Amino acid sequence: AQSVAQPEDQVNVAEGNPLTVKCTYSVSGNPYLFWYVQYPNRGLQFLLKYITGDNLVKGSYGFEAEFNKSQTSFHLKKPSALVSDSALYFCAVPRSMDSNYQLIWGAGTKLIIKP
Amino acid sequence: NAGVTQTPKFRILKIGQSMTLQCTQDMNHNYMYWYRQDPGMGLKLIYYSVGAGITDKGEVPNGYNVSRSTTEDFPLRLELAAPSQTSVYFCASSYSLVSGSSYNEQFFGPGTRLTVL
Repeated sequence: AQSVAQPEDQVNVAEGNPLTVKCTYSVSGNPYLFWYVQYPNRGLQFLLKYITGDNLVKGSYGFEAEFNKSQTSFHLKKPSALVSDSALYFCAVPRSMDSNYQLIWGAGTKLIIKP
Repeated sequence: NAGVTQTPKFRILKIGQSMTLQCTQDMNHNYMYWYRQDPGMGLKLIYYSVGAGITDKGEVPNGYNVSRSTTEDFPLRLELAAPSQTSVYFCASSYSLVSGSSYNEQFFGPGTRLTVL
């Protein structure tokens, strides 16, 4: 069965430092992986996705994610954190390979950027 | 282009009451979804629709009903509210060219915070 895990409930980073939000996955076949962000009292917004191709995927707001097949990971990264990056981040994977309407979501990681 | 809109933003229900959460999208998306988000949990899919007139159950459909009479609207109905349905509800939509296989991003509404007392 497909699954994702976000091992950290919360990540604290000082403004200007690099940040990493972790996601590991378990899928059969080639993985399709997503990152979404949720700002306080808002709906989720798409950040980026990995379908195939380059292992480094670039997304919105300066975020990128590194796909690592051997470690079954898809960590979200940003070289220099901003206070405005503070939000809840979700990793997701399709439940089955023939549809995307059932995404399996990680529990979320709260990212706190301190000035 | 308003995207996905949801009403109401907040609602308090008494046990046994019923209500409809409204969702409308103006992006001509064929897929629409209803999720619930509980504290410390990821999203759980309640129902989804791949087009007008077609709906299907997700992971947690019990206690809910949906309809999709138009491309734009996808209301969620709670018939007999229970405290377990206290949650934040999100509607989302996406576009797929090919039925059953699409990895396009989902666009979310702002959510409805529902409390059942």
